[in-house]
Amino acid sequence: DAGVTQSPTHLIKTRGQHVTLRCSPISGHKSVSWYQQVLGQGPQFIFQYYEKEERGRGNFPDRFSARQFPNYSSELNVNALLLGDSALYLCASSLEPVSNQPQHFGDGTRLSIL
Amino acid sequence: GQQLNQSPQSMFIQEGEDVSMNCTSSSIFNTWLWYKQEPGEGPVLLIALYKAGELTSNGRLTAQFGITRKDSFLNISASIPSDVGIYFCAGLLRSNTGKLIFGQGTTLQVKP
Repeated sequence: DAGVTQSPTHLIKTRGQHVTLRCSPISGHKSVSWYQQVLGQGPQFIFQYYEKEERGRGNFPDRFSARQFPNYSSELNVNALLLGDSALYLCASSLEPVSNQPQHFGDGTRLSIL
Repeated sequence: GQQLNQSPQSMFIQEGEDVSMNCTSSSIFNTWLWYKQEPGEGPVLLIALYKAGELTSNGRLTAQFGITRKDSFLNISASIPSDVGIYFCAGLLRSNTGKLIFGQGTTLQVKP
């Protein structure tokens, strides 16, 4: 069975541009979460979506937005890119957004800002 | 914000040795998870813990949910070269949120 799939795997952008990252959850999983992982650190929570609604948001500026589609896939959008947005962006899915349903991660999108 | 303090930051051990790492927090967690991340890949779930005091094994890996709900440890027995990677603890504060809080990671290197 396919795990969490993310696209693209790598992306290079310049400051001020915007970017859209995509995630397909494990089949049957309805909850998707997004994390930012800066080199040398643990992932930081950005968003969680369940049944197309935002269920949680981390301490990220309004330049970050996301949405979930009827097929439970999700997009993360970042506007007005800054150098500090360079990171690995991870998507995780779970059956439901409850504590006894562990999150499984994709391999991420490596975003580099020049 | 909430933080998880993970230690040690890095370990360099001989093949065959046992390894122990732990996470502590000042906050109470409902769930503890342990992940392993290798270069170019996302974190892979190793063990999930849901009850205080719970002790769970996955092959050579054993993890425990601390009785105070504020800590967890992971042990790896008889390490092998493929155990190399970064190990992260992660916790959930409340039962209806998906906001995983991660530790800083423990980098494990194994010398054959």
